[in-house]
Amino acid sequence: DGGITQSPKYLFRKEGQNVTLSCEQNLNHDAMYWYRQDPGQGLRLIYYSQIVNDFQKGDIAEGYSVSREKKESFPLTVTSAQKNPTAFYLCASSITPADSYEQYFGPGTRLTVT
Amino acid sequence: AQSVTQLGSHVSVSEGALVLLRCNYSSSVPPYLFWYVQYPNQGLQLLLKYTSAATLVKGINGFEAEFKKSETSFHLTKPSAHMSDAAEYFCAVSDARNNDMRFGAGTRLTVKP
Repeated sequence: DGGITQSPKYLFRKEGQNVTLSCEQNLNHDAMYWYRQDPGQGLRLIYYSQIVNDFQKGDIAEGYSVSREKKESFPLTVTSAQKNPTAFYLCASSITPADSYEQYFGPGTRLTVT
Repeated sequence: AQSVTQLGSHVSVSEGALVLLRCNYSSSVPPYLFWYVQYPNQGLQLLLKYTSAATLVKGINGFEAEFKKSETSFHLTKPSAHMSDAAEYFCAVSDARNNDMRFGAGTRLTVKP
């Protein structure tokens, strides 16, 4: 079955450590996205990528970094510079960047930093 | 830039009652509109989408939504709520020019037995 996988489901880190969240898709989609979800705030865009080796900052990119070396993979690194990293992180993909095509979402990774 | 406002962060209905979740959008160009559902600790699943065809859109699980340009609204309805409908619902608007999708803050639906 085609879809998006995110691993791990739950992640615990100590403050000051960088952590990388995995996102893989086998839908052959060109565009991929990372969102952060906090209670009552909906989804906020961190980074998106329209094509391999290219990505753009979203609304809340500070303290995060990404890479897009392969079409199917879009890992997100939460750096120690992110002031409040504890959140639910969602990865998504779409056939093309926005437009009439919907985004497909992975199951999410819940990151807790203490 | 486009935006979405969902009226009511929490909606509670009885099982069998009408479900109405409100969404208003702002967009300078004809929008593409979406409703997603999220169950606890899971990703988002598409319920339905409007892409400038029929203004009344039918989705999965008995949900439907009507695009009303004059009211800039895209409210989600279901005639009869089921316990399994309890979840969080997100309205979203997409604008091809800006290459991004904007989500509302979400509405948590509770279904009482």
